[in-house]
Amino acid sequence: DADVTQTPRNRITKTGKRIMLECSQTKGHDRMYWYRQDPGLGLRLIYYSFDVKDINKGEISDGYSVSRQAQAKFSLSLESAIPNQTALYFCATSDLFASGGTDTQYFGPGTRLTVL
Amino acid sequence: KQEVTQIPAALSVPEGENLVLNCSFTDSAIYNLQWFRQDPGKGLTSLLLIQSSQREQTSGRLNASLDKSSGRSTLYIAASQPGDSATYLCAVSPSDDYKLSFGAGTTVTVRA
Repeated sequence: DADVTQTPRNRITKTGKRIMLECSQTKGHDRMYWYRQDPGLGLRLIYYSFDVKDINKGEISDGYSVSRQAQAKFSLSLESAIPNQTALYFCATSDLFASGGTDTQYFGPGTRLTVL
Repeated sequence: KQEVTQIPAALSVPEGENLVLNCSFTDSAIYNLQWFRQDPGKGLTSLLLIQSSQREQTSGRLNASLDKSSGRSTLYIAASQPGDSATYLCAVSPSDDYKLSFGAGTTVTVRA
């Protein structure tokens, strides 16, 4: 089984709909991240969480919200989806101490979201 | 704001040729630099991580170098194989936190 899973893997929705993307991990890591990837651009950080009670905005948080339901679960919501939120979304996890201080991030397979 | 650039955006080579992928970054105050591989339909896989105090890291046919003063890193892949075809991403972590700044990637095609 994959250590970092994302559901759904693909989603097509309409403008104005509320969408939730879910991420689960079995690695026991404290840190979790949400990124989006657009063609020709690198991954950009949306939100990150260093533990259940610590949630922080990333580079492009407008239009998004997150929930850290447990150490292993981190959800990303689009309150009212718009077409320019069409992208590939990745969840990642890391653990500073388990990685010996390198904080290597482990990525899920991604969710391809299309907003019509 | 850290800017990470990868040139070229795409590269096609015959099997057996050595690959050289470039990454440049604007702020030399980094904690570490990572190279990732991305395959279609799959997530990113970390290939090599270089700490700011290191000059290079090696893993099998892969070697990554880091020159902080000039803001450059290079990933070398020796004796390329068709299975090396993928997109390679460079990411840097700043000194004051652990958020990654990514380049747009170089898409590599190795022709059999």
